[in-house]
Amino acid sequence: DIQMTQSPSTLSASVGDRVTITCRASQSISSWLAWYQQKPGKAPKFLIYKASILESGVPARFSGSGSGTEFTLTISSLQPDDFATYYCQQYKSYLYTFGQGTKLEIK
Amino acid sequence: QVQLQESGPGLVNPSQTLSLTCTVSGGSISSGSYHWSWIRQPAGKGLEWIGHIYTSGGTNYNPSLKSRVTISVDTSKNQFSLKLSSVTAADTAVYYCARDLVSSGGGFDYWGQGTLVTVSS
Repeated sequence: DIQMTQSPSTLSASVGDRVTITCRASQSISSWLAWYQQKPGKAPKFLIYKASILESGVPARFSGSGSGTEFTLTISSLQPDDFATYYCQQYKSYLYTFGQGTKLEIK
Repeated sequence: QVQLQESGPGLVNPSQTLSLTCTVSGGSISSGSYHWSWIRQPAGKGLEWIGHIYTSGGTNYNPSLKSRVTISVDTSKNQFSLKLSSVTAADTAVYYCARDLVSSGGGFDYWGQGTLVTVSS
């Protein structure tokens, strides 16, 4: 199995801050990585695929980067709607795995 | 706009089989190069991929669940289904169905709203 590890597990930030979430894979996954945003009681929302391609309709303040084993999700200027839990997911192998999640809280 | 909707019993007895159906609307389940996945999330925990089915009927399952899982598709009803046998309390979770963009960049772009399945007598 390819293990995905996110850091930090919890992140406290303020509106307007720039924040970065890291996702590390236990082996190289090239750029086969997606990011999701999940709010309580809701299904995850698709944000980014192939590590850096923004899904249609996702605000440009979200960006993704990385390849191989290390990836980042950056939100350039936090908005109130961005406080949620974020998950990375690899799809290099047909045992898709997710990171454990990063909860982004209001400071 | 593609929409997915899970349906099925919200309560299943231990040792029985959990059965859920995902109905796809706004597009044909047979069109495009998509796979159709099931994903679950225990309360307060992360996401676990259960498996997926191609429209040709081929499947891939999470090895940790493979011996208990069957995913099938009914293209005439635009539905795909999940069966998980010999359930225990550990299978209590919100179950999501999702469209898998396997040949179009990857990732799950459309999700159902999720359905809570509780395993309890």
